[in-house]
Amino acid sequence: GAVVSQHPSRVICKSGTSVKIECRSLDFQATTMFWYRQFPKKSLMLMATSNEGSKATYEQGVEKDKFLINHASLTLSTLTVTSAHPEDSSFYICSARGTFTGELFFGEGSRLTVL
Amino acid sequence: QKEVEQDPGPLSVPEGAIVSLNCTYSNSAFQYFMWYRQYSRKGPELLMYTYSSGNKEDGRFTAQVDKSSKYISLFIRDSQPSDSATYLCAMSGTIETSGSRLTFGEGTQLTVNP
Repeated sequence: GAVVSQHPSRVICKSGTSVKIECRSLDFQATTMFWYRQFPKKSLMLMATSNEGSKATYEQGVEKDKFLINHASLTLSTLTVTSAHPEDSSFYICSARGTFTGELFFGEGSRLTVL
Repeated sequence: QKEVEQDPGPLSVPEGAIVSLNCTYSNSAFQYFMWYRQYSRKGPELLMYTYSSGNKEDGRFTAQVDKSSKYISLFIRDSQPSDSATYLCAMSGTIETSGSRLTFGEGTQLTVNP
């Protein structure tokens, strides 16, 4: 089946630094990718919808300037957490929807720890 | 009221049992229904994908959708310890109504005991 690759799987950074997470669709083109945040034992919270070649659409309450999303190609979207703080520590997951299918596939997730 | 309701469990069953997982929803615009399995500290894995009402079977897994009752189910036959995970239901409307955005249930934590 379709594969979505996310990198890095785990990252630890100091408070105030920025961290970039990549999401790649490996065997299909993804016009739309989604970024989620998940807290322990909680469901996925949609942060933003990333559309190739256009600006991302952010959910209410998600800071655009803090969570920068870039979808420069049909196979790559990036999430940059800027000026990270300990409260940004979480599990971030991306998903991608193929051009001709309604199915959504998820990456393995990236665990961010901000010290 | 949440758009999608799912009993968070935890649910504990012996190996070989039949497991029934359920979700109810309130948005009649939902057309696509999915079940995901998520192991600890991993991304969700798509298990079943159905469109509109009906049944779909894949190995030990059967997904049922009853749009008239706004109720979906996932059955796991001959459950195995490797099935221990959190199961998330998810649903979406058409591209026009929801742009492929998924609405998730809270997830049910399942443990299958050997």
